[in-house]
Amino acid sequence: DVQLVESGGVVVQPGGSLRLSCAASGFNFGYYTMHWVRQRPGKSLEWVSLFSWDGITTFYADSVKGRFTISRDNGKNSLFLQMNSLRPEDTGLYYCASEREQFFKYWGQGTLVTVSS
Amino acid sequence: IVMTQSPATLSVSPGERATLSCRASQSVATRLAWYQLKPGQAPRLLIYDASTRATGVPARFSGSGSGTEFALTINSLQSEDFAVYYCQQCSEWPPRGEGTFGQGTKLEIK
Repeated sequence: DVQLVESGGVVVQPGGSLRLSCAASGFNFGYYTMHWVRQRPGKSLEWVSLFSWDGITTFYADSVKGRFTISRDNGKNSLFLQMNSLRPEDTGLYYCASEREQFFKYWGQGTLVTVSS
Repeated sequence: IVMTQSPATLSVSPGERATLSCRASQSVATRLAWYQLKPGQAPRLLIYDASTRATGVPARFSGSGSGTEFALTINSLQSEDFAVYYCQQCSEWPPRGEGTFGQGTKLEIK
């Protein structure tokens, strides 16, 4: 069975940093473009970032560009999100998701990030 | 592209049919997906390419539409179908952040 398991979400102060991880299993991780999608409290889903399957391309939402960095380790079937200069509006549930033809085929259950003093 | 879902909340009795709408501010052809979200669970892809059911999705779920108007229809509602549903367009790629998804429709038990 396909599994995506996020971890690393905690309470952090504004201006702080955090690294989220996503452990993948049950599929050929290295063949898939992977994404981070978040849901802020009371809001809809919001795409955050992607890392292409070929390891060449990354993209970011304007709201996180310059503060967040996505990376992956295909040998360890893992996706990461380094989050710096965190703001209260970054609070939310962060999901990793695998992409199939620009749709989000598989998702994890999410990890909760709270930015608060 | 802005995705607008309606209604925000839909109350339907078990066994009945629910129809959820999603409108795009400009044509996305058939580059549209529907997802189901339940608290504490991983989101689930239901429909992609506007009308193709994802693997394992029951036949009571169907998607329709193209261009700017789309619908997700759930026939014979089961208790497990009461959840929040989001549409997603991928006509613009890479995604932009907010606006990739609609605002969601909460399907609740009447």
